[in-house]
Formats: sequence, C-alpha cells, structure tokens
Amino acid sequence: NAGVTQTPKFQVLKTGQSMTLQCAQDMNHEYMSWYRQDPGMGLRLIHYSVGAGITDQGEVPNGYNVSRSTTEDFPLRLLSAAPSQTSVYFCASSYSVRTGAREQYFGPGTRLTVT
Amino acid sequence: AQKVTQAQTEISVVEKEDVTLDCVYETRDTTYYLFWYKQPPSGELVFLIRRNSFDEQNEISGRYSWNFQKSTSSFNFTITASQVVDSAVYFCALSEAGAGGTSYGKLTFGQGTILTVHP
Repeated sequence: NAGVTQTPKFQVLKTGQSMTLQCAQDMNHEYMSWYRQDPGMGLRLIHYSVGAGITDQGEVPNGYNVSRSTTEDFPLRLLSAAPSQTSVYFCASSYSVRTGAREQYFGPGTRLTVT
Repeated sequence: AQKVTQAQTEISVVEKEDVTLDCVYETRDTTYYLFWYKQPPSGELVFLIRRNSFDEQNEISGRYSWNFQKSTSSFNFTITASQVVDSAVYFCALSEAGAGGTSYGKLTFGQGTILTVHP
C-alpha cells in the first residue's frame, strides 16, 4: 500500500491563480481531511469528508473547495490564491468513522507559496 | 468548542535527560479521543498514540510513556533517556465523538512543542 499520497510536493503560485492539490489513499478509508500547518498554530482543519459524496467545512474553509467523487480521492481546490494561503497542506485519512476513532494517516504534505 | 493547549513552545535538553511534554485539553463531550503525533525535521506526521476518554491507564512504549488524567484534563508525554533522534515537533490532538460519531475524525491540534535534544 502506498498509504496517503499528495501531489505536488512543492508549488509556487501568483496571487489570483487557481490550482488543485491532489490527495489519494489506497487503504479504503472512509474519512479524509485536509489540514493546513502554519508556524506556531499547529494544524487546522480546512475541509473533511466522511465518505464519497459527503463533505463538510472545518475550521478554516474560506478560499478552498473540495469534492469527494470516489473513496480514494479528495482534491483540494484553491479558487483564487492569496498570500495568506501560503502554508504546508496535509491530507489525512482514517478508517471507519462510525466504529470508533482511529488514528489518521497523513500524507507527506504540499508546501505552497503564494507570491 | 474543543481546544488543545501545549504551553511549552520549545524545549531543549541534553541527550539522556528525561523530558515531559505537557498537553491540556478542553472539551464538553464525555466521549473523546486524544492523540500524540511526531513531526521530525523531514516534515511527515507520525502517529504515536491514541487514548480514549474511558481509559485512564497510563501507557509505556519503550522510552515513551503517556500520563492521562481526566481530573486535570491533561495528557502528558514523557520521553525517558532522550536521544538526538527524538528531536522533532510534537503535537497533541483531540477528537470529539459528536452527534452520531461523525466528528470522530476531526482533529483539533495543539500548537506543537519543538523538542531539541543535544548530543
């Protein structure tokens, strides 16, 4: 199993550009989520999904869109990049939400810089 | 709303010293889960432990141990005989059960503690 994969690893965008961060998992996990990590603030939840076709907002959703058409993939779209979105983005997945909490497995991260 | 506080921003120790990382949490749920993650300099997040709110037993895994005390809402992490390879950022995180259990996966992280172990 590859686990949770993210592409790209690094990205530089200009203000106003849009892009999609890709996330995929091959563990048949129901739950997937996106976090951003900023210095001194830990990780903050952007969006999450409890299954294909179901998504919801986390703590910091503004400026981001998600969709979950398959169990495996959970892309994060930046609609119009802003310097405030410069961050490291982590995708995570975990097993069945309804059978109890499970540890989340994290992807390697995408370092995004918006100039 | 849930909250996790790691009051220690940075800790510096010399190899073989014991070190304790503090974690204090706030939640209104009676069912919740606590986690510790390690983020080494390479940047990935490594799961260390999960503890549920009904299990206050302390846990030991090699040089790592965890002390969970509901009375003080704390879930502290101790590394015994620290090593240079323990240098990393350590995050404590909380997940509430919520209605229907669908918020199990929503983690609230503390700010992280940067641990530096000097040779």
